[in-house]
Amino acid sequence: DADVTQTPRNRITKTGKRIMLECSQTKGHDRMYWYRQDPGLGLRLIYYSFDVKDINKGEISDGYSVSRQAQAKFSLSLESAIPNQTALYFCATSEGGDWGAKNIQYFGAGTRLSVL
Amino acid sequence: ELKVEQNPLFLSMQEGKNYTIYCNYSTTSDRLYWYRQDPGKSLESLFVLLSNGAVKQEGRLMASLDTKARLSTLHITAAVHDLSATYFCAGSRRGAQKLVFGQGTRLTINP
Repeated sequence: DADVTQTPRNRITKTGKRIMLECSQTKGHDRMYWYRQDPGLGLRLIYYSFDVKDINKGEISDGYSVSRQAQAKFSLSLESAIPNQTALYFCATSEGGDWGAKNIQYFGAGTRLSVL
Repeated sequence: ELKVEQNPLFLSMQEGKNYTIYCNYSTTSDRLYWYRQDPGKSLESLFVLLSNGAVKQEGRLMASLDTKARLSTLHITAAVHDLSATYFCAGSRRGAQKLVFGQGTRLTINP
């Protein structure tokens, strides 16, 4: 089984609908992240969480919200989906620790979202 | 604010050739990461470079970091088709502890 699991893998929805993307991990990492990937733009950070009580906005958080239900679960919600939120969404985790640690991020398989 | 730029964005090359992907960043980035993404797949960590002058090698790929020039390179030696993928670099600043990605370089290696 994958260490970082995203559900669903594909989703088609309509403008104005509320949807939730889910991420769970078995790596035991404290830190979790949500990114979106658009062609030619690389990955952009939406939200990140360093522990259950710590949630922070990334560079493109407008129109999104998150919930860290447990150390292992981090969900991304689109309250009212719009077409320009059509993208590939990735969840990632990292161990964290002090600055000497490598802090490598490990990614899930991604969720392809289409908003019509 | 840290910004990361890669070039080229697209690279088509022949098997057996050598080439380099460049990753420039705008301000101090104390760590530099390289990831690989195959079409339709997730990102796989290749290298993490932690200090000036760091060099890491794995097979036909070699990554280096020059913090004074704010430049990291990913060098491909004697390319083979299996290395076709999109390669991303990402920087991270002390205190921020989150990654800023470059646009990615789509590498196609032709027989």
